[in-house]
Amino acid sequence: ILNVEQSPQSLHVQEGDSTNFTCSFPSSNFYALHWYRWETAKSPEALFVMTLNGDEKKKGRISATLNTKEGYSYLYIKGSQPEDSATYLCAFQGAQKLVFGQGTRLTINP
Amino acid sequence: NAGVTQTPKFRVLKTGQSMTLLCAQDMNHEYMYWYRQDPGMGLRLIHYSVGEGTTAKGEVPDGYNVSRLKKQNFLLGLESAAPSQTSVYFCASSPNHRVGKEFFGPGTRLTVL
Repeated sequence: ILNVEQSPQSLHVQEGDSTNFTCSFPSSNFYALHWYRWETAKSPEALFVMTLNGDEKKKGRISATLNTKEGYSYLYIKGSQPEDSATYLCAFQGAQKLVFGQGTRLTINP
Repeated sequence: NAGVTQTPKFRVLKTGQSMTLLCAQDMNHEYMYWYRQDPGMGLRLIHYSVGEGTTAKGEVPDGYNVSRLKKQNFLLGLESAAPSQTSVYFCASSPNHRVGKEFFGPGTRLTVL
């Protein structure tokens, strides 16, 4: 059974502060690493898909990095805003399907 | 495009009853998935399909059956519902293995009494 772990499980950040969290995954049989943003009462929405070691992706104030050799990815949010409050899921893509981590629940305090 | 749709949105069942959840996608995706989401457990894969007429077991398949008779539809069946199957069920689809990004439906909240 593949183990995809995210830390921390939950995080409270003051509006305007920057933050980051971690996804760790198996370093073997790697195809891609996905990040999703999941707002309460909605469906998960894809943020990034990363495939190459050293990949960096950016969308607005959110960015992600990938290290496939050591099996981790970081998601960074710069200058947090209340609308960033959500659960952030990472998923390891191996053969045919994704294996999701449990998510990091981010709450931005105004 | 409607994307991924799920029917019904909510349902309450009694223990032992059966029901079928319908997932439909209009993006011509090859791959479709059924997940359940429980507090503190993230998304767990129940069954998935890599094409019309194919299905495969995921992480938590017991108590569920699936069918993919048409490419656009993926059905999840509960033959004899149990309280442990109370959950929120999400369907997702993706174009193929090379493009693994999944598109999710809005979810079905199921309560088994």
